[in-house]
Amino acid sequence: DSGVTQTPKHLITATGQRVTLRCSPRSGDLSVYWYQQSLDQGLQFLIQYYNGEERAKGNILERFSAQQFPDLHSELNLSSLELGDSALYFCASSFWGGTTNTGELFFGEGSRLTVL
Amino acid sequence: KNEVEQSPQNLTAQEGEFITINCSYSVGISALHWLQQHPGGGIVSLFMLSSGKKKHGRLIATINIQEKHSSLHITASHPRDSAVYICAVSLNNDMRFGAGTRLTVKP
Repeated sequence: DSGVTQTPKHLITATGQRVTLRCSPRSGDLSVYWYQQSLDQGLQFLIQYYNGEERAKGNILERFSAQQFPDLHSELNLSSLELGDSALYFCASSFWGGTTNTGELFFGEGSRLTVL
Repeated sequence: KNEVEQSPQNLTAQEGEFITINCSYSVGISALHWLQQHPGGGIVSLFMLSSGKKKHGRLIATINIQEKHSSLHITASHPRDSAVYICAVSLNNDMRFGAGTRLTVKP
């Protein structure tokens, strides 16, 4: 058990809809990272938050947004969903907030999104 | 061309064999991670390296910064080591991933 909790584990929705994925980091960790894993693109870094502030941005679409709350949990919002958004979405946490080095990462079990 | 290349893509071994998975990258990095993803989908971080060598149990990871190359070794492999092993590099506010090496260890 990594100590990182992601909900929901599975989600099925329709094109055009909006969903929210939630991540609670390991106790004491200040950084939360979001990743997308799809069959055709593999793992991709989406975005990082550190202590409530956006720290780094990767290949995140404009239809996607995230935030980190004062209790350090984070939410990833996906809107105007398309079939190609079907993927596993992972979050990870770390104590460090470095932009060049994440420190050791602890991953959640992932949220599997299916868009029909 | 992917900035992070792993080889081999697939690897089948007999229990007890010594296994090596390679990762080459083409960009300047601050750190390299080896991740393990089991069939259920969960990801576990095995190592984070910026230089030299690290060992944890039967796993050894090395990195050569000058050659932009890292290797993950598994000694005395076991069927429970069957998983996808992913190399990832940290650089400039970003992280890039290799496509993964699918390892199957047969009893």
